Amino acid sequence: DTGVSQNPRHKITKRGQNVTFRCDPISEHNRLYWYRQTLGQGPEFLTYFQNEAQLEKSRLLSDRFSAERPKGSFSTLEIQRTEQGDSAMYLCASTITGGRRNTGELFFGEGSRLTVL
Amino acid sequence: KNQVEQSPQSLIILEGKNCTLQCNYTVSPFSNLRWYKQDTGRGPVSLTIMTFSENTKSNGRYTATLDADTKQSSLHITASQLSDSASYICVVSGDGGSQGNLIFGKGTKLSVKP
Repeated sequence: DTGVSQNPRHKITKRGQNVTFRCDPISEHNRLYWYRQTLGQGPEFLTYFQNEAQLEKSRLLSDRFSAERPKGSFSTLEIQRTEQGDSAMYLCASTITGGRRNTGELFFGEGSRLTVL
Repeated sequence: KNQVEQSPQSLIILEGKNCTLQCNYTVSPFSNLRWYKQDTGRGPVSLTIMTFSENTKSNGRYTATLDADTKQSSLHITASQLSDSASYICVVSGDGGSQGNLIFGKGTKLSVKP
């Protein structure tokens, strides 16, 4: 399968625990996005990377959230001291793009669903 | 402020009927507009991408239109099937804007009943 891969698909954790999600984009895709989606809503932007550089972070990304893409390939999204309000689907998407314009096909993973008890 | 508004929020139709979903945007400068289909619990899947110069683009029973002057797009679904039940999300790409140049609508939830 050469699509965007996200792991784990489902995570149930207790409030206060840390969780980490991983995203493996399509090979050679240089841009990678993270989104959060709650039930009945569209995806909300969290952050994105151009290669290994994190170019933008949403104000939704509190200091408990951190994302990395150390070698410009896979990315991780860590949530520390989880809260019940963090329960959501976390989507990763990747594309190939030159410069600031975004004209390429955007491919999404199947998402990682987080439930915080 | 760059925004994408979709209507209706939800829609119920009978199998075999046609329907049209709307997307209005205020993103500027405009680069392209995308429609995605998202099945429950799955990631969105691309249906169409339209640039400024394209008025219509089809993908099987899905036809998207774009009026860049009025900043409106529609997604028309012909002869609906039960498998069309999903959320349909409109995404507008700006040129040099924030959020990685992608502004998402909240989606329209379509339910196709037998």
